[in-house]
Amino acid sequence: QQPVQSPQAVILREGEDAVINCSSSKALYSVHWYRQKHGEAPVFLMILLKGGEQMRHEKISASFNEKKQQSSLYLTASQLSYSGTYFCGTENPGTYKYIFGTGTRLKVLA
Amino acid sequence: NAGVTQTPKFQVLKTGQSMTLQCAQDMNHEYMSWYRQDPGMGLRLIHYSVGAGITDQGEVPNGYNVSRSTTEDFPLRLLSAAPSQTSVYFCASSYSGQGYYGYTFGSGTRLTVV
Repeated sequence: QQPVQSPQAVILREGEDAVINCSSSKALYSVHWYRQKHGEAPVFLMILLKGGEQMRHEKISASFNEKKQQSSLYLTASQLSYSGTYFCGTENPGTYKYIFGTGTRLKVLA
Repeated sequence: NAGVTQTPKFQVLKTGQSMTLQCAQDMNHEYMSWYRQDPGMGLRLIHYSVGAGITDQGEVPNGYNVSRSTTEDFPLRLLSAAPSQTSVYFCASSYSGQGYYGYTFGSGTRLTVV
């Protein structure tokens, strides 16, 4: 079962902040975050490992709560270039299947 | 360093035709996967491979076959195309599993079945 992301969609003005959550019904050992711009392939942003540090990519950071089986992506002072669909990705524990969350569409307006 | 290369970029098939989507990577990645993405939807795993000669089914394998004879190549075969297989297909690869490395994606193949 794929991880569930929330919100499904969010609209921001430039400079505003947003949080995207990724929740799994199964134990997570690592979470990856990707951004996909319209008409393009997803691009890897960062990895969160169990017991690891909070990661950053430009002004985007992420955290990983193993107990809650959840990861959160924090977009600070959003820029127009942040627009796109964000996916979390994770390997199903006990298998080698790599699956993606339901996705969050983010649109940043000038 | 080309990364992950997918061909063709666009394809139109008639119902019942078969075809092979090509995927090649030059990063010596062990793990490779095929996903389909329908309009406004997420990425669904079709088949995956953890090394040459080893493949397994993903979440939506019906109507598709794969093989992995070399580390570099992971073709996806559509056996008898159906309109429900109209989608964008992405091939992706990773250095290894266990979640230590992210996936690199090809640019995708846009397939229309009429």
